[in-house]
Amino acid sequence: QKEVEQNSGPLSVPEGAIASLNCTYSDRGSQSFFWYRQYSGKSPELIMSIYSNGDKEDGRFTAQLNKASQYVSLLIRDSQPSDSATYLCAVNTGGGNKLTFGTGTQLKVEL
Amino acid sequence: GAVVSQHPSWVICKSGTSVKIECRSLDFQATTMFWYRQFPKQSLMLMATSNEGSKATYEQGVEKDKFLINHASLTLSTLTVTSAHPEDSSFYICSASGAALWGDTQYFGPGTRLTVL
Repeated sequence: QKEVEQNSGPLSVPEGAIASLNCTYSDRGSQSFFWYRQYSGKSPELIMSIYSNGDKEDGRFTAQLNKASQYVSLLIRDSQPSDSATYLCAVNTGGGNKLTFGTGTQLKVEL
Repeated sequence: GAVVSQHPSWVICKSGTSVKIECRSLDFQATTMFWYRQFPKQSLMLMATSNEGSKATYEQGVEKDKFLINHASLTLSTLTVTSAHPEDSSFYICSASGAALWGDTQYFGPGTRLTVL
């Protein structure tokens, strides 16, 4: 079974710190990777996609992909209380457009 | 771009009735739409995948006759919960993908909260 795993948390960081969220996946053939943010009671919203090994930066967010080690991470710099949410890692494991989601990591940014 | 809408945003119905939820891609053509269900404090559960003009593909354990999916156009998919019961109360979320520019990225609608009394 193709799996995507995340630590459920909660991960607590102080305001202004860097939050590091990690995700591992089992299907070595995966090509597309996504991070979504989900606030309580809301639907997921796309933060970033990444397809190639290395880092991809977008504002305060940096996605990192290492296909050899089968992990993808999300760094949030200068964390704000508004970043408090559940972060979902998603991987395209089977081709087509179907994604496999991790169970999510809850992030709490404390004042 | 990549805006997906859902209607209604919430619905309350009596047990035994049917409820239809619409999912629309507003600014792109979605060749594939997905329907998810999410219970409180749990992760997304994929129910089915639908491609425009063809029958939906349901995930294991999802009743096809209970959750009817129609993807009649490149911008509209509907989910009908037939003979709803209290255990069907959940947060139903659709997503859409297929725009050439965005590849396999899925964009989510705002969700529909269903309460069955």
